[in-house]
Amino acid sequence: ETGVTQTPRHLVMGMTNKKSLKCEQHLGHNAMYWYKQSAKKPLELMFVYNFKEQTENNSVPSRFSPECPNSSHLFLHLHTLQPEDSALYLCASSQGVEWGYGYTFGSGTRLTVV
Amino acid sequence: GENVEQHPSTLSVQEGDSAVIKCTYSDSASNYFPWYKQELGKRPQLIIDIRSNVGEKKDQRIAVTLNKTAKHFSLHITETQPEDSAVYFCAAHSGGGADGLTFGKGTHLIIQP
Repeated sequence: ETGVTQTPRHLVMGMTNKKSLKCEQHLGHNAMYWYKQSAKKPLELMFVYNFKEQTENNSVPSRFSPECPNSSHLFLHLHTLQPEDSALYLCASSQGVEWGYGYTFGSGTRLTVV
Repeated sequence: GENVEQHPSTLSVQEGDSAVIKCTYSDSASNYFPWYKQELGKRPQLIIDIRSNVGEKKDQRIAVTLNKTAKHFSLHITETQPEDSAVYFCAAHSGGGADGLTFGKGTHLIIQP
């Protein structure tokens, strides 16, 4: 384990379901991120949280709703998703959002929307 | 915003040979450039990074070079080994802002025995 834990590892959901992805980091980092990884595409930044405040929403559809109750936990709430939302969702953390800090990634949640 | 282009998308080299992966970025304010390695079914892991005040950095068999004028940076792997087979991602971070890293599309490196 690298200190960033994501659950569940795999998730299959229907388009009308509501589910949540969870991320927890034990590294004492202050910034947390959600990225989407699809085949043949670069890692796409979705949300950035710094000291549990959202600092970036990269034009993500409202069917994705993030929540950051504290600097160690990050959630991604999902509802009425589309099949094209099927992807690997990666959580990452870093010491801060300023440049020069590398990210530690979690293992990701493989999401399939049916 | 930042745009990062990465080439090639696939690179096949003989074991023991060198591999070079190149990236370009668009935002001249970017000042931090990490490289990540992602093995099949695993998480991306930071392998080396470089800041804009440095032109080159080396760590054993891997090195990264940065040309700020041309806005490109490269990853060099020497004496490649089978365990180097993976997807490699470059990334760039615009200085001072609250943005996350912008990643390239990745290079699938295949080491032929």
